[in-house]
Amino acid sequence: GAVVSQHPSWVICKSGTSVKIECRSLDFQATTMFWYRQFPKQSLMLMATSNEGSKATYEQGVEKDKFLINHASLTLSTLTVTSAHPEDSSFYICSARGLAGRANEQFFGPGTRLTVL
Amino acid sequence: SQELEQSPQSLIVQEGKNLTINCTSSKTLYGLYWYKQKYGEGLIFLMMLQKGGEEKSHEKITAKLDEKKQQSSLHITASQPSHAGIYLCGADERGNQGGKLIFGQGTELSVKP
Repeated sequence: GAVVSQHPSWVICKSGTSVKIECRSLDFQATTMFWYRQFPKQSLMLMATSNEGSKATYEQGVEKDKFLINHASLTLSTLTVTSAHPEDSSFYICSARGLAGRANEQFFGPGTRLTVL
Repeated sequence: SQELEQSPQSLIVQEGKNLTINCTSSKTLYGLYWYKQKYGEGLIFLMMLQKGGEEKSHEKITAKLDEKKQQSSLHITASQPSHAGIYLCGADERGNQGGKLIFGQGTELSVKP
């Protein structure tokens, strides 16, 4: 149990285009999902916290108009990188929490590697 | 804000040797998580510690949280090539943070056969 999937696993796009990344909790309902970004050889940096049915909470320095987050259901959150630029190239990982009785645990997706040309 | 520092940053050991990775927090830890990551992949949950002095083991990996709840160690006994990867400690920030985690910078482990 407690499986989180991400789609796509990798994407290459041209500068200026928008890219949507999906994060799904496959066998549990996630009240909260988190989006992280990881640059090569660096740790994960939290970008935003996403709660179902409400606006996402962004970390300081993260542009909310550039990284659009939608948490439409208890099993799906999406991150859209708008007008992507080469500096947005990174590894994006989501996590989900909210499994009954294990609310303190977070389960991570496999990540999405974004390359912007 | 809370910061986590891991040591060492990288580690190369011979197969069969024991090793320890440390995670030190600038503030009291209310929840300490250990994850393993292979480069370019997601995080695999290893263990979570919450109580001072708590110790958990899974197969050949043991994690401890000190009594003061500001430091945790991850110990691997008789390391194998399958243990290679990046080990990350994460802390659950207390307060109305909604359970968001902050992470240490990671420790890259290589195991030489």
